Formats: sequence, structure tokens, C-alpha cells
Amino acid sequence: KAGVTQTPRYLIKTRGQQVTLSCSPISGHRSVSWYQQTPGQGLQFLFEYFSETQRNKGNFPGRFSGRQFSNSRSEMNVSTLELGDSALYLCASSLVSGGGSEQYFGPGTRLTVT
Amino acid sequence: GQQVMQIPQYQHVQEGEDFTTYCNSSTTLSNIQWYKQRPGGHPVFLIQLVKSGEVKKQKRLTFQFGEAKKNSSLHITATQTTDVGTYFCAGPYSGAGSYQLTFGKGTKLSVIP
Repeated sequence: KAGVTQTPRYLIKTRGQQVTLSCSPISGHRSVSWYQQTPGQGLQFLFEYFSETQRNKGNFPGRFSGRQFSNSRSEMNVSTLELGDSALYLCASSLVSGGGSEQYFGPGTRLTVT
Repeated sequence: GQQVMQIPQYQHVQEGEDFTTYCNSSTTLSNIQWYKQRPGGHPVFLIQLVKSGEVKKQKRLTFQFGEAKKNSSLHITATQTTDVGTYFCAGPYSGAGSYQLTFGKGTKLSVIP
């Protein structure tokens, strides 16, 4: 089985811009979760989608949003970028939602905001 | 809030020494998962523990889930340079109707050859 893929792998954006990241889960996985990883805060949960519905949401501002398509591919959008949004954004797919089963992570998108 | 505490934050060992990282939860967990992230890589799933007092082994790695299902440990016997990386524990937490897999801050393991 192909693993989780994320595009793009690297991005450089300017403050105030917006960005869209994409994630394709493992075939058959309907749950996609997004995480932000920074050296100071570690891995922080953004949100989870299951069968095109946002099932769970972390404690991030409304500038962070996402969606999931019928083929389970997911996108994450960050609007009005801030310097503090610089991070590695990871998506993970799993069979069930809510942390009930193992998650398979993609390689991540490294976002730099200048 | 609900969180997973992991200690130590860093551990430097000589190759061949043992290594242990501990994970403590503020609440009882339905399961606990362990992941490894190599430098420059992404987290990779290692194991999931579900039962109280469960012990699982993977070659030189031993995972334990506490009797109260609030703590867990990962022990590596005779570390090798290939064990270098950050080890995370993670547990599902609920709050305001939302469930999320919450990760500890991780233990970064360095192995000195």
C-alpha cells in the first residue's frame, strides 16, 4: 500500500498571505488528522476529518481550517499567516477516528513564514 | 487540561546501555500509542497498548501499560545508533465533545557510539 503523501513538502510565505496544504491518506483510511509540530510546543492537534465531516477540533484559531473530499483526500488552509505559524504540518490517516487506532503520518509540509 | 507528561525530555546514552522513557496521563486512557520520529523524519507508529498491565515486546523494545491505565513506559535494551530519535507517547482525550490523540512532548534519545 502507498503511504500518506503530502504536498507541497516545503513552502515559504509572507505574513498576511494564505496557504493550502494537501494530504492523501492511505487507501481505505477515512480519517485524516492534521498536526502542527514546532520545537517549543511539540505535536499539537489541529483537527480531524472522517468521511468528509470534521469530527474533532483542537485549540487553534479560526484562521486554520480544513476540509475532506469524497476520496478522503484532505486539505488544510491557513489564512492571514503569522510568523508563529512557521512549523512542520503533518497529516496522519487512520481507520477509525478519535485516536482509537494507530495513525500513519505523512512526511509533512515545512512552512516558513517571513 | 488533560495532557500527557513524558520524561525525560532528553537522554544521552552510550551505545549498549539501556534506555527508558515514561509517560503519565492526568486521566485514565482507553489506549496508549507509541511513536518514533527520526531526525528530519515524521512520526512512525510503534505500538498500541489497550489492556491494563499489558506488556508487549518488539525485539529490544519493551512497552508497558500501567494497571490504572494512566501511565506507560518504553524500555530499550542495549541501545544501538539506529535507536536515535524522539519517542512520543500519545493517548486519546475527550473534551467538549471532541476526541483527539494528544501527544507527549517526547523524549529525544541520543546514542553515543
